[in-house]
Parts: sequence; structure tokens; C-alpha cells
Amino acid sequence: GESVGLHLPTLSVQEGDNSIINCAYSNSASDYFIWYKQESGKGPQFIIDIRSNMDKRQGQRVTVLLNKTVKHLSLQIAATQPGDSAVYFCAEKSDSWGKLQFGAGTQVVVTP
Amino acid sequence: DGGITQSPKYLFRKEGQNVTLSCEQNLNHDAMYWYRQDPGQGLRLIYYSQIVNDFQKGDIAEGYSVSREKKESFPLTVTSAQKNPTAFYLCASSMGGGKNIQYFGAGTRLSVL
Repeated sequence: GESVGLHLPTLSVQEGDNSIINCAYSNSASDYFIWYKQESGKGPQFIIDIRSNMDKRQGQRVTVLLNKTVKHLSLQIAATQPGDSAVYFCAEKSDSWGKLQFGAGTQVVVTP
Repeated sequence: DGGITQSPKYLFRKEGQNVTLSCEQNLNHDAMYWYRQDPGQGLRLIYYSQIVNDFQKGDIAEGYSVSREKKESFPLTVTSAQKNPTAFYLCASSMGGGKNIQYFGAGTRLSVL
């Protein structure tokens, strides 16, 4: 069936470097995507979203890129900080109403 | 966590017991959701409700039940039919529709005694 998945389960990044987290999706009809951050023992927190009519969207220190040709989504974090250590999930709107399908997540570990 | 409150934070269930997890939101959102998260895994949808007095099964509804009698409340009951209930349970709410940002509570960790 249709699914959302991540390429890398764990990403180790040095403090101050940029992070890139990838996500592949298989439903070419998906028109809306969200990135969430989940710290240990807490609920997921909204980071940024993007509609399928856009290729790029920027927030504070984060950028989401959408490549519809290869059905690929990425989250870039600039100047990664220790507080960025968390699991990052991409989510895809899976039906016309708005139900979300979540990927498995990528653990980001920031090293000093 | 925003305006979504889950309680309790930790819950223990005995064999054959039903337990109820609370979820309350003050965001005036129409839609509410329950997810289950197992260690090192993503979120799986248990039940969702688009509007008061209506709810639908998600991907893993067996062994769970819900009610939506009030807009701000969406309690989840883990019944004795759920043989592997140990997990982290997350409640979310959203406006619903095209740009469906879901906002999450802090979660309830359920363990079996």
C-alpha cells in the first residue's frame, strides 16, 4: 500500500553543522506534508509544513524541500544545536479530509 | 503540548482490566485523534473523530474504544481484549481539512503489571 518512510534511522551531527533529514513517500497524489520533532518522553511538536504546489519553504533555522518528481521530502536544520537532538517524523496527508500517515522517524543526535 | 492535556502521564493495567486515558483540548478543534507509539517506531492511528458524536476506526482499533460526547474531550479505553497494551499513547487535535496540522498532547505511558 501507500506509505511514508525515512532513509536514515539515525543521524549524528556535530554541533554547528547543518542537518539534512530525508523522507520518501509513495503516494503521488499527496498534496500536503508536515515535519514533526519529538523529544524523549514528549508528544510530537509541529516544525514546518509544505503544500505540494511548493518546492521549498523556510522557517526559523529550518527549510523543507519537496521534490515531487522523485517523491522525496527533506528537512534541513541550519547550525544544529544540542536542543535539536530528537526524533524527526515526516507525515503525509493520506486522504481528502486530512488524515495523516506518519513515517518511522529519524533519530538526530547532536555531538559537541 | 499547547492546549491539549492528557492524563495520567503514567498508567498501569492489571490482567483483564479496562483502563481509560483522558484527552482534553481547549483549542476549539473539531477533530481529535488517538495514536499508539511503540519504542523506536512511528505513530499508528487507533481512532479519530472529525466531529462531536462521530468517530471512525483507524489502522489498529481492535481492543480499543472511544467516545466523543463533547467537542473538547476524546477519552480512549484500552480494553482487556487488547493483549499487548504496553505503549506510549498520544492524543492530538486539529481543525481538519486541507491543511491539517495536528497538535499533540504530552502522552500517556501505559504498562502492564
